[in-house]
Amino acid sequence: GAGVSQSPSNKVTEKGKDVELRCDPISGHTALYWYRQRLGQGLEFLIYFQGNSAPDKSGLPSDRFSAERTGESVSTLTIQRTQQEDSAVYLCASSLEDAGEQYFGPGTRLTVT
Amino acid sequence: GDSVTQMEGPVTLSEEAFLTINCTYTATGYPSLFWYVQYPGEGLQLLLKATKADDKGSNKGFEATYRKETTSFHLEKGSVQVSDSAVYFCALILLGGSEKLVFGKGTKLTVNP
Repeated sequence: GAGVSQSPSNKVTEKGKDVELRCDPISGHTALYWYRQRLGQGLEFLIYFQGNSAPDKSGLPSDRFSAERTGESVSTLTIQRTQQEDSAVYLCASSLEDAGEQYFGPGTRLTVT
Repeated sequence: GDSVTQMEGPVTLSEEAFLTINCTYTATGYPSLFWYVQYPGEGLQLLLKATKADDKGSNKGFEATYRKETTSFHLEKGSVQVSDSAVYFCALILLGGSEKLVFGKGTKLTVNP
């Protein structure tokens, strides 16, 4: 079956612009996660959704970052007024249940110039 | 806070060599432990996992044993192949706490023919 998909695969934007990154989880997966992978670093947790609610937003680095999930399906991560330090690969994962195996998408590579 | 430390890379081996990638963790509770692998140009995939002390996770010839006394989860393979070239990430998730995966920084493995 289809895995987790993300779009776009690559995004180049100018500093100060807003960007939206999309994640389509595996159908039926109730839990959805966003992570960030900066060059030479491990993956950093950003936010976790259970259904359409976000019980853990503790990893969002600033108020420029926000995310929503609708229909217990698609999620959008929005970064406002992008900065060069936002350049990273943004990964989405979904799982069938809390603390279950997380399945990762291919990521969106964001470059802020 | 919870954290994962894994050996710095890169690691370069010849085909059929023995592989060990060290991983240790710090956790406030009783975590489940994982190894994820990221092949070139592909998304992150679960390689193996262990959910309690002395459990051994195994897959594709790789093994790791959950050692609570040493808080370790070292990855081993007896005979590596060129196709094992990838970045390997050790990770934990704390059951009953936040549902996020906490990752190490990753170890890049290159296997030469």
